[in-house]
Amino acid sequence: GNSVTQMEGPVTLSEEAFLTINCTYTATGYPSLFWYVQYPGEGLQLLLKATKADDKGSNKGFEATYRKETTSFHLEKGSVQVSDSAVYFCALTFTGGGNKLTFGTGTQLKVEL
Amino acid sequence: DAGVTQSPTHLIKTRGQQVTLRCSPKSGHDTVSWYQQALGQGPQFIFQYYEEEERQRGNFPDRFSGHQFPNYSSELNVNALLLGDSALYLCASSTGPGGGSYEQYFGPGTRLTVT
Repeated sequence: GNSVTQMEGPVTLSEEAFLTINCTYTATGYPSLFWYVQYPGEGLQLLLKATKADDKGSNKGFEATYRKETTSFHLEKGSVQVSDSAVYFCALTFTGGGNKLTFGTGTQLKVEL
Repeated sequence: DAGVTQSPTHLIKTRGQQVTLRCSPKSGHDTVSWYQQALGQGPQFIFQYYEEEERQRGNFPDRFSGHQFPNYSSELNVNALLLGDSALYLCASSTGPGGGSYEQYFGPGTRLTVT
């Protein structure tokens, strides 16, 4: 079956540090890939997406590149802020799959001053 | 433009009871999916409704059932509640399965506690 694996958290960084959260997937075929963010006490917000190999999704300074050869979609940000503290989820879905999302377990990010 | 709304925000039930959770999709969306998010875990797909029919179902028992109304809003029903049903229940809306958009918009969730 399809699955998503994320690096375990929590990840604790100082403000302005570089962020990488690893995500790899297992799937038959070529899924669309997403990063969602969940702030404390809230639902999920779509952060960025990529629908085909070598696509780069970007939003709010975050980036992720769809790497078919390594089945990865790592999330990066050059300079994190305290306001980026949240839980980040990597997810996949398939064309014709009715938009059903398969999520990783999430990675908690804590950014300190 | 109203986003996805869910009610209630929080709910406390006793084992064996039944519960109904409600969801209104984002304007322009006709497909509703439900997810269960246990504490510290990623959301797990329960089922999806489109054109008032269940189109896909995840690995959840028949105690979990749903409904979609003509205005696209949806309900999630859980019967014979177990302690393990305690979770955040998320509703997500999107355009139809053939609509070409893969983006799902999530509501804030309903926190269900079973005691």
